[in-house]
Amino acid sequence: QSALTQEASVSGTVGQKVTLSCTGDSNIIGSYAVAWYQQISHGAPKTVMFGDSLPSGIPDRFSGSKSGTTASLTISGLQPEDEADYYCSTWDFSLSAVVFGGGTKLTVL
Amino acid sequence: QVQLQESGPGLVMPSQTLSLTCTVSNGSISSGSHFWSWIRQPAGKGLEWIGLIYTGGTTNYSPSLKGRVTISVDSSKSQFSLRLASVTAADTAVYYCARWTARFDSWGQGTLVTVSS
Repeated sequence: QSALTQEASVSGTVGQKVTLSCTGDSNIIGSYAVAWYQQISHGAPKTVMFGDSLPSGIPDRFSGSKSGTTASLTISGLQPEDEADYYCSTWDFSLSAVVFGGGTKLTVL
Repeated sequence: QVQLQESGPGLVMPSQTLSLTCTVSNGSISSGSHFWSWIRQPAGKGLEWIGLIYTGGTTNYSPSLKGRVTISVDSSKSQFSLRLASVTAADTAVYYCARWTARFDSWGQGTLVTVSS
């Protein structure tokens, strides 16, 4: 069982806004920035968000936020190429370990 | 842009030791506040963190794999390595090496390791 909980699947239509969530204990989510990784067709993952910072080259339709024990990745104006698996991850100070969520499969209808 | 490339046997016998190497290019393995890490992904499943190392030698390992895993670094060769002992079929996965700077900002392409006799 993952330390971080994500929806198994989310879907949306082209142009729609979708939000993926990542929930964990307050000592995990509250203590360190959460990173989001996009994995297309089981290729190598790519960072699409770190905290609320957008990595270079990532479209600005991606945004990140955190409230309480939940971090969120929002995609505004969903595009077909956004269809992928998305994983959240952060550092767990109590374990001295990186932890991942179970992943969300985003389908663009 | 730093590049990482995994290498090693694609097939390992049960109970043996899995050994992989990650070669870092277009950047120094010793510079800055970077950590070097291994992550794996069984077919059809999610990402699982294995461990990381700082070039000074400090390591952190996944609690679920601690005792079986060793990560080492050879700065002279710009490489870091993974050894996973006493493997079983459950260790069959795509293994990725990655650079960690509070998040994984560079990844290798991944290499499939199958544990089978």
